[in-house]
Amino acid sequence: GAGVSQSPSNKVTEKGKDVELRCDPISGHTALYWYRQSLGQGLEFLIYFQGNSAPDKSGLPSDRFSAERTGGSVSTLTIQRTQQEDSAVYLCASSFSGGAYYEQYFGPGTRLTVT
Amino acid sequence: SQKIEQNSEALNIQEGKTATLTCNYTNYSPAYLQWYRQDPGRGPVFLLLIRENEKEKRKERLKVTFDTTLKQSLFHITASQPADSATYLCALGNTGFQKLVFGTGTRLLVSP
Repeated sequence: GAGVSQSPSNKVTEKGKDVELRCDPISGHTALYWYRQSLGQGLEFLIYFQGNSAPDKSGLPSDRFSAERTGGSVSTLTIQRTQQEDSAVYLCASSFSGGAYYEQYFGPGTRLTVT
Repeated sequence: SQKIEQNSEALNIQEGKTATLTCNYTNYSPAYLQWYRQDPGRGPVFLLLIRENEKEKRKERLKVTFDTTLKQSLFHITASQPADSATYLCALGNTGFQKLVFGTGTRLLVSP
């Protein structure tokens, strides 16, 4: 079956512009996660959705970052007024349900470069 | 605050040997521990889950142990192959809708 998909795969943007990153989770998965991974670094948690609600958004680095999920499916991560330090790979994952018992299925990521 | 530590230095071993990777944690009592594999340019892929009341879990050439007293998990790959070369991440979490917390990963290099 189809896995988690993300678009675009690569995004180059100028400093100060807004960007939107999209995640299509596996059908039927109620939990959706966004992570950020800088070169050679570990996964940095950003936000977690259970259905359309976000019980944990503690990882969003600033108010320039926001995310929403609609219809219990697609999620969009928006970064406003991008800065060079936002350059990273943004990974999305989904799981059957929220919580640490369920394995997460990751998408291929969106590589964001802010020039 | 909770802390998860994995060896930041790469582990180099020869093909056929057993690779052992370590995941230590502090200020935490997780109910579940998961291991993932990540190849360059790709998202992590789930390998194994072990619960706090399980001492050991096996899957083919993989074995995971979970020692809640030592606050440590060991991840073993027996008869390692060059194709096992990747970064391995451990992740911990509790019951309920708590999120998984990932370690920074250890890079494994298996030489022919």
